[in-house]
Amino acid sequence: ETGVTQSPTHLIKTRGQQVTLRCSSQSGHNTVSWYQQALGQGPQFIFQYYREEENGRGNFPPRFSGLQFPNYSSELNVNALELDDSALYLCASSKGQGGAVDTQYFGPGTRLTVL
Amino acid sequence: GEDVEQSLFLSVREGDSSVINCTYTDSSSTYLYWYKQEPGAGLQLLTYIFSNMDMKQDQRLTVLLNKKDKHLSLRIADTQTGDSAIYFCAERGNDYKLSFGAGTTVTVRA
Repeated sequence: ETGVTQSPTHLIKTRGQQVTLRCSSQSGHNTVSWYQQALGQGPQFIFQYYREEENGRGNFPPRFSGLQFPNYSSELNVNALELDDSALYLCASSKGQGGAVDTQYFGPGTRLTVL
Repeated sequence: GEDVEQSLFLSVREGDSSVINCTYTDSSSTYLYWYKQEPGAGLQLLTYIFSNMDMKQDQRLTVLLNKKDKHLSLRIADTQTGDSAIYFCAERGNDYKLSFGAGTTVTVRA
């Protein structure tokens, strides 16, 4: 069984640019959640996708957007990058059925640096 | 809103037990989790507890939940150098998103 994978591992961008981060969910999982982890802090929820629809959003501006594909993989897009967007971006997948099976398993993350 | 708080640092001698504490505010929390993060890595799920339980044991790990006080703890028995990491407490409400604490950095000394 393959775990959650993310690409790329590291990325360096400049202010104002756009970035796309990718996530492949664990086999059998249909829900993907994205989190932003700034240095020295806990992860903050960005949004969740369930069966290709956004299923909840945290306190992030609209320039953070996402997609989920029919194979349940997902993308996180960030437009007009700001210096404060520098963080580790974590993707988590789950079975999305509620209860204990909805436990989220995390990928290794993408480290984004905005200069 | 949800708030999860943890002490920031814990130093423990190898072989001793570690206890990491967490408090949360959301009374609608359904599940509470402990994740481990090693330097430069993602989050590894350690264990979780359903909100109607008060204790769960899994090998060296014991989770205690006091729902009345909204207090969660993780005890690691016989702490090893490989246990040095950041430990995050997280709670999940009815909306399925996870709310995390800032993490407790555990340092195991010989």
